[in-house]
Amino acid sequence: TQLLEQSPQFLSIQEGENLTVYCNSSSVFSSLQWYRQEPGEGPVLLVTVVTGGEVKKLKRLTFQFGDARKDSSLHITAAQPGDTGLYLCAGVRPGETSGSRLTFGEGTQLTVNP
Amino acid sequence: ETGVTQTPRHLVMGMTNKKSLKCEQHLGHNAMYWYKQSAKKPLELMFVYSLEERVENNSVPSRFSPECPNSSHLFLHLHTLQPEDSALYLCASSRGAEDSYEQYFGPGTRLTVT
Repeated sequence: TQLLEQSPQFLSIQEGENLTVYCNSSSVFSSLQWYRQEPGEGPVLLVTVVTGGEVKKLKRLTFQFGDARKDSSLHITAAQPGDTGLYLCAGVRPGETSGSRLTFGEGTQLTVNP
Repeated sequence: ETGVTQTPRHLVMGMTNKKSLKCEQHLGHNAMYWYKQSAKKPLELMFVYSLEERVENNSVPSRFSPECPNSSHLFLHLHTLQPEDSALYLCASSRGAEDSYEQYFGPGTRLTVT
């Protein structure tokens, strides 16, 4: 059973469109991170959300942590080809004190066509 | 450039070969990690080192042997691998295994076992 489910798995859109990707779980997380991975590179941390209901903005990207801290969403406004990549969410389980306790989702592969 | 480098970037090896992957971090971090990334599967944590001591081994087969000679360098020694071991192997570091969940990834080594 996958602890973190990401949807959709694949998304192909035109430049300028808006999109939302989701990261869902039946488990509670003390914090959740979003990474973007471009082809041939490792994942790069975009944001960490900690508080239930928290919203963080990074230019055209808006991240939200669910009130119950079981889910998160990433909304991109006016997508650009440079946004293309694999978006990964990763959660830290409560009670774990080690940074090794990150659980990753399978990712959403986003392609933004010019 | 995340401050974590990995060599080689690509490696093709036969099942009877012995090879090593190298990771170096220039961030002054105390924790280092090896992950395996396969197609359509979440990132799998393999090993965690904190201050050069292995603190976690996630039931990884003995044909994978990690080594951490100091807090800046991490190796993954490979021998008698199987074709299903073909994957992207990612190294990551963080400030500490206990107090930082934000991990910085290298670009990975794309391994193909023939």
